[in-house]
Amino acid sequence: GPKVLQIPSHQIIDMGQMVTLNCDPVSNHLYFYWYKQILGQQMEFLVNFYNGKVMEKSKLFKDQFSVERPDGSYFTLKIQPTALEDSAVYFCASSPGHSYEQYFGPGTRLTVL
Amino acid sequence: QEKVQQSPESLIVPEGAMVSLNCSFSDSASQSIWWYQQHPGKGPKALISIFSNGNKKEGRLTVYLNRASLHVSLHIKDSQPSDSAVYLCAVSDNNNAPRFGAGTKLSVKP
Repeated sequence: GPKVLQIPSHQIIDMGQMVTLNCDPVSNHLYFYWYKQILGQQMEFLVNFYNGKVMEKSKLFKDQFSVERPDGSYFTLKIQPTALEDSAVYFCASSPGHSYEQYFGPGTRLTVL
Repeated sequence: QEKVQQSPESLIVPEGAMVSLNCSFSDSASQSIWWYQQHPGKGPKALISIFSNGNKKEGRLTVYLNRASLHVSLHIKDSQPSDSAVYLCAVSDNNNAPRFGAGTKLSVKP
């Protein structure tokens, strides 16, 4: 079936550094999402993106976070600067429409030291 | 903002048992409910959805939605050890992206 890819699978960085998480969504999908999951805890919504714009973001989507998908390439989540509490697994998802099935990537485990 | 609560937190059943998982949500205008399965170290995978009051059956899975009571349940018939995973309920409405519950961890013992 359709697959969402995430690069890298694991990233370790020092607090205060910038990090970019990359997502290759399903090719004909229109809606893109980032979720944050701290180990063993709930999947928390961060942001969704459609037609080149942020449609909705949660309180977890701090000012240090940004998303973009330049020219239909990777859908990226950038955190600048990182904080210790940003350590988590970040899941990217895409869907063909609102309320449709979401296809999730395998996640990027971010460790901030 | 939609609040999604799942119960029980965890469940251990013998192989072949019927499994019942519960999900309650806060907004009666919620558009769609999806159930996902998540194995350790993997992303969630969609199992079944429901949009209208009533029930829907797909294979060993049946989902029931009652909008009046803001409740949806997932039932797995003839459970298998391979069904062992975390089951997530996701609820969205016309304006908001899907929100997930904390999940139910299911263990099916051979």
